Amino acid sequence: GAVVSQHPSWVICKSGTSVKIECRSLDFQATTMFWYRQFPKQSLMLMATSNEGSKATYEQGVEKDKFLINHASLTLSTLTVTSAHPEDSSFYICSARAPVIGQGGDEQYFGPGTRLTVT
Amino acid sequence: SQQGEEDPQALSIQEGENATMNCSYKTSINNLQWYRQNSGRGLVHLILIRSNEREKHSGRLRVTLDTSKKSSSLLITASRAADTASYFCGGTGFQKLVFGTGTRLLVSP
Repeated sequence: GAVVSQHPSWVICKSGTSVKIECRSLDFQATTMFWYRQFPKQSLMLMATSNEGSKATYEQGVEKDKFLINHASLTLSTLTVTSAHPEDSSFYICSARAPVIGQGGDEQYFGPGTRLTVT
Repeated sequence: SQQGEEDPQALSIQEGENATMNCSYKTSINNLQWYRQNSGRGLVHLILIRSNEREKHSGRLRVTLDTSKKSSSLLITASRAADTASYFCGGTGFQKLVFGTGTRLLVSP
């Protein structure tokens, strides 16, 4: 199946600094990628939809100036958490949509996630 | 906001038993997908069912979809300890996938 990678797997940073998380589709091209965050024992909350070559679409309540998304190519999207605060500590997961030919639907493949801890 | 809810929130069974999880969603969908997540890991896609399908099988998995009730169920037959994980349903509509709250399944040897 399609593989999506994330880098780094985990990161610890100090308050006020910025952190960049990369999401790559390794064996397919993804015109659309998605970014989610997940708090412990909770579900995934969609943060934004990232479209290659255009601005990301953010969900209600997500600060676009704080969570910068860049979809530079068909295989790479990045999420930058700017001026990080302890409350930004979470598990960030990206996914990439791959068309399923002949089945009339798309499947999404998820990266392994990045655990961010802000101290 | 969440697309919907799964129930039960948590389920504990013995190996060999069947596990059934239900998912309800709020808005219209194009298809519905079930995923599993092991603790602290990413999601693994299990099965996709389209809005015009009522039932689908994949190995030990059986998924049903009732669009009139906006609900779906996932049945895992002959469960194994390795099935222990959280299970999420996600509805795809308006080009994005939004998840329910998840069911935590514990299968004891």
